[in-house]
Amino acid sequence: DAKTTQPPSMDCAEGRAANLPCNHSTISGNEYVYWYRQIHSQGPQYIIHGLKNNETNEMASLIITEDRKSSTLILPHATLRDTAVYYCIVRVVNTGNQFYFGTGTSLTVIP
Amino acid sequence: DTAVSQTPKYLVTQMGNDKSIKCEQNLGHDTMYWYKQDSKKFLKIMFSYNNKELIINETVPNRFSPKSPDKAHLNLHINSLELGDSAVYFCASSQDRGSSPLHFGNGTRLTVT
Repeated sequence: DAKTTQPPSMDCAEGRAANLPCNHSTISGNEYVYWYRQIHSQGPQYIIHGLKNNETNEMASLIITEDRKSSTLILPHATLRDTAVYYCIVRVVNTGNQFYFGTGTSLTVIP
Repeated sequence: DTAVSQTPKYLVTQMGNDKSIKCEQNLGHDTMYWYKQDSKKFLKIMFSYNNKELIINETVPNRFSPKSPDKAHLNLHINSLELGDSAVYFCASSQDRGSSPLHFGNGTRLTVT
């Protein structure tokens, strides 16, 4: 079951950075942090994942605290199309463990 | 090319019927999944399957059964449909090695009347 805690909703002004927090205080050493988003009723879309180092790709940056108990997904310049539900997931890899989704954060980007 | 594709996109049927949803992935992944998203938008895993193991979420009724004719396909069969089965069903796939992420299809909206 989901082992993460996220705020239920957030707003962000268009063009500004959106910082979405996730608490995973019980994370273990071999668990990765994944971020997905779901726009409307489309299939969830993979954004980024990491183990302990910060990661960046063309969509977002992932900042993981040194103790790994929390992380922040950063969308550097939010657009209206980034309005979606964002899910933070922790998962052990190489074991076939399943991805468990929590309730996520509903991000609304405001014009 | 769509990486994970599901058919049909919409399915409306009556209680008691048996129906199937098809899923195909062209990513060469070795593990496939079915998720259910209910009206409260909670995404719940139903099954994960590769050529070695089927993992069933214990809360899934045995009226639901996955069938995999080959590594690229995982179909979902549902017998004796009930009103509570109305939901959006998502297929997904991943490589069962390393930290490979899940890739989802666009979902099948099932409505049972």
